[in-house]
Amino acid sequence: ETGVTQTPRHLVMGMTNKKSLKCEQHLGHNAMYWYKQSAKKPLELMFVYNFKEQTENNSVPSRFSPECPNSSHLFLHLHTLQPEDSALYLCASSQDGTSGADTQYFGPGTRLTVL
Amino acid sequence: GQNIDQPTEMTATEGAIVQINCTYQTSGFNGLFWYQQHAGEAPTFLSYNVLDGLEEKGRFSSFLSRSKGYSYLLLKELQMKDSASYLCAVMDSNYQLIWGAGTKLIIKP
Repeated sequence: ETGVTQTPRHLVMGMTNKKSLKCEQHLGHNAMYWYKQSAKKPLELMFVYNFKEQTENNSVPSRFSPECPNSSHLFLHLHTLQPEDSALYLCASSQDGTSGADTQYFGPGTRLTVL
Repeated sequence: GQNIDQPTEMTATEGAIVQINCTYQTSGFNGLFWYQQHAGEAPTFLSYNVLDGLEEKGRFSSFLSRSKGYSYLLLKELQMKDSASYLCAVMDSNYQLIWGAGTKLIIKP
């Protein structure tokens, strides 16, 4: 138990569906992250929020839309996804995202399958 | 470009020692992290190195040479539960983590 929870753990959706992934951290951190993990590939950073403000968007397609209502919650809204978007989506949090020793703590991920 | 290299897969025997290497080329350096990830679970933090040398934490040690762009994770007295993927990540000048693809470690009895 890392103090970061994600729901749902598994999600199957069609290309025309709209769904949302939820992440919650109980660590009192101020930075939150969305990563995509595909088999045998490095983790890909998608979005970063520091103190609820989006500070990074690594050229992610607009069919992925993040939302950070407060420092403890992070959402990833999904719409009109493609089969190649099937992957494990990981949420992480860290103290402030602005120092070298700022360790990231991960949730268990949502396994997404797009049909 | 930025690049982190580590072996795709390694096999070792229970009770033995294994060394997992990681080489990196990044824009800036603010430290190197090792994470462990069991199948279907969250990556969990193992170690952080920012200065050259060896950091020891129980059965696990991590080494860093900044001049060589090189690190290794050393696992001693291997146990079956150590079967997992080990991820190397470097924090760049923007305080973003650049990740390797991970090394899958298989432990045999």
